[in-house]
Amino acid sequence: EVQLLESGGGLVQPGGSLRISCAASGFTFSNFALTWVRQAPGKGLEWVSTIVGSGSNTYYADSVRGRFTISRDNSKETLHLQMNSLRAEDTAVYYCAREGAGMVRFDSWGQGTLVTVSS
Amino acid sequence: DIQMTQSPSSLSASVGDRVTITCRASQSIRTYLNWYQQKPGKAPKLLIYAASSLQSGVPSRFTGSGSGTDFTLTISSLQPEDSATYFCQQSYNTPRTFGQGTKVEIK
Repeated sequence: EVQLLESGGGLVQPGGSLRISCAASGFTFSNFALTWVRQAPGKGLEWVSTIVGSGSNTYYADSVRGRFTISRDNSKETLHLQMNSLRAEDTAVYYCAREGAGMVRFDSWGQGTLVTVSS
Repeated sequence: DIQMTQSPSSLSASVGDRVTITCRASQSIRTYLNWYQQKPGKAPKLLIYAASSLQSGVPSRFTGSGSGTDFTLTISSLQPEDSATYFCQQSYNTPRTFGQGTKVEIK
């Protein structure tokens, strides 16, 4: 059974940094691209960043490019999102999601971790 | 960026009703269209991928159709457990974009 478990969320001040992680199990980790999707309170879903299985290619939303860095440790089957220069509008539940075959669908999701940016 | 527009934003229907949600893309996305169901406090769940393929384990009352710019999610006989918000999402290119969501309530 595919499992994704996020951790590391919390309260951070504007301008601060936070790293969230996603521990995976139940599948061959390095074979799949992984994505972060966020959802602000009461709002819709926003794609944030994707990293391919090897880690060689990464993609970012314009809203986070230059501030967030996605990475993965295939030996530890863990996905990370380093978030710097955080803003109030980054407040959201952050979900990690596995990209299914062909990188055309998010077929498994974690339960999410809440990041709150506030003074 | 490709804009995804869903309609309606919300609907209320009775158990057993046929429910249809539409999603329109701002440009052709061929069949690179997925549908997700999200219940309050829970992660989204993949229902339909590639416009019309049913994800494993999803009840057959959910069907998807469409190609190009216009897509439809149909629930053939609404059940109480289908109360949720439904999102479409394009995977034609990056950035991946989602519709704003359709909240389905049971009368």
